[in-house]
Amino acid sequence: QVQLQESGPGLVKPSETLSLTCTVSGGSVFSGTHYWSWIRQPPGKGLEWIGYVYYTGSANYNPSLKSRLTMSVDRSKNQFSLKVNSVTAADTAVYYCATYNGDYLYFDYWGQGTQVTVSS
Amino acid sequence: QTVVTQEPSFSVSPGGTVTLTCGLSSASVSTSYYPTWCQQTPGQPPRTLIYNTNSRSSGVPDRFSGSILGKKAALTITGAQPEDESDYYCILYVGSGTWVFGGGTKLTVL
Repeated sequence: QVQLQESGPGLVKPSETLSLTCTVSGGSVFSGTHYWSWIRQPPGKGLEWIGYVYYTGSANYNPSLKSRLTMSVDRSKNQFSLKVNSVTAADTAVYYCATYNGDYLYFDYWGQGTQVTVSS
Repeated sequence: QTVVTQEPSFSVSPGGTVTLTCGLSSASVSTSYYPTWCQQTPGQPPRTLIYNTNSRSSGVPDRFSGSILGKKAALTITGAQPEDESDYYCILYVGSGTWVFGGGTKLTVL
């Protein structure tokens, strides 16, 4: 049973960089089956797919956010991470890490989510 | 920009049947979009109920089923229970390794 735990600052200033890490337990980021994903949910709103990083380090991003995103995998720590540059209040959200199972084609495991607020 | 459409809200009586739908602004939804349905209760992460159109995730009651109805993906709850009151999200694979979430449907059971 894979478990995911997000971590990172809960408060980020406008124009700065939001950085989050997802620690994987019960599984390995080496898995060729899973795509290590990020999804967010602004307060009172719906879910938005941000992107994923594969164990090789290749990544794919939501086109609407692509210019501000960087995702990576740290094999030594069994973690994957998200960076969002030049944040604004519109980036305030609960951020979830999740795994997309490429064999069965669904998001099979989710973290509990972490609240990130963008404010000065 | 691909837009996935869902009913903003729906209401069903306990024991009743309800069908939520998931459409595309500019195309018909087919199995090629690998429709997924997630359930989210307040303060909790989503959990996948149905994937690849009509496959049920482990532990999901069989009152939940997925299908394609006409031009849309559909989630049907047969014999709704009070604990089914939640937000339901549709997710579609739109190609090139990208997914789009629908806006969600708030289901009330009363």
